[in-house]
Amino acid sequence: SAVISQKPSRDICQRGTSLTIQCQVDSQVTMMFWYRQQPGQSLTLIATANQGSEATYESGFVIDKFPISRPNLTFSTLTVSNMSPEDSSIYLCSVLWVTEAFFGQGTRLTVV
Amino acid sequence: TQLLEQSPQFLSIQEGENLTVYCNSSSVFSSLQWYRQEPGEGPVLLVTVVTGGEVKKLKRLTFQFGDARKDSSLHITAAQPGDTGLYLCASGGTSYGKLTFGQGTILTVHP
Repeated sequence: SAVISQKPSRDICQRGTSLTIQCQVDSQVTMMFWYRQQPGQSLTLIATANQGSEATYESGFVIDKFPISRPNLTFSTLTVSNMSPEDSSIYLCSVLWVTEAFFGQGTRLTVV
Repeated sequence: TQLLEQSPQFLSIQEGENLTVYCNSSSVFSSLQWYRQEPGEGPVLLVTVVTGGEVKKLKRLTFQFGDARKDSSLHITAAQPGDTGLYLCASGGTSYGKLTFGQGTILTVHP
């Protein structure tokens, strides 16, 4: 299995500012995934992060708004830039281990 | 991108009752996974089904994969308050890692 540490677990931010979320995995993995989730609702994939290459973004998500770093095979960051209240959500990182997806505990972001 | 239709969206039942959650698609699943998520945590995998007609049991949970691999169901027998959570079906198409999720079912089991 894979153990994922994600931080911060929650934050309250002012609109117009940026927040960087960190995701640390206890094993080397090729791909890391970033999802967004409204409380009590499903997950939407933001992007796939591969080490050594630019992240691949899903429709509706752009690099300028959600820049991602993947400096090595165990770590990734997602930045939520120029935040607005609409960015208030839960952000989760995920990795694939064999055929199972493992998730961090999520970052609950509130933009005021 | 494969679309997954999950129903019902909400379930509120009493302890001891049975329930079924459904996950359907207009296209064939290569495989399908069921996850459960508790508040403040990420989703945790319950089961992966791959073969059409497959039935898997996990204690009081029974998972079925349709013969045509376009639908799946999760049945819970004698639900307990500890079963409360968000249940999600997910499919990775040809890639397990990049998952598409159903809308989710919020299950509340009252003591």
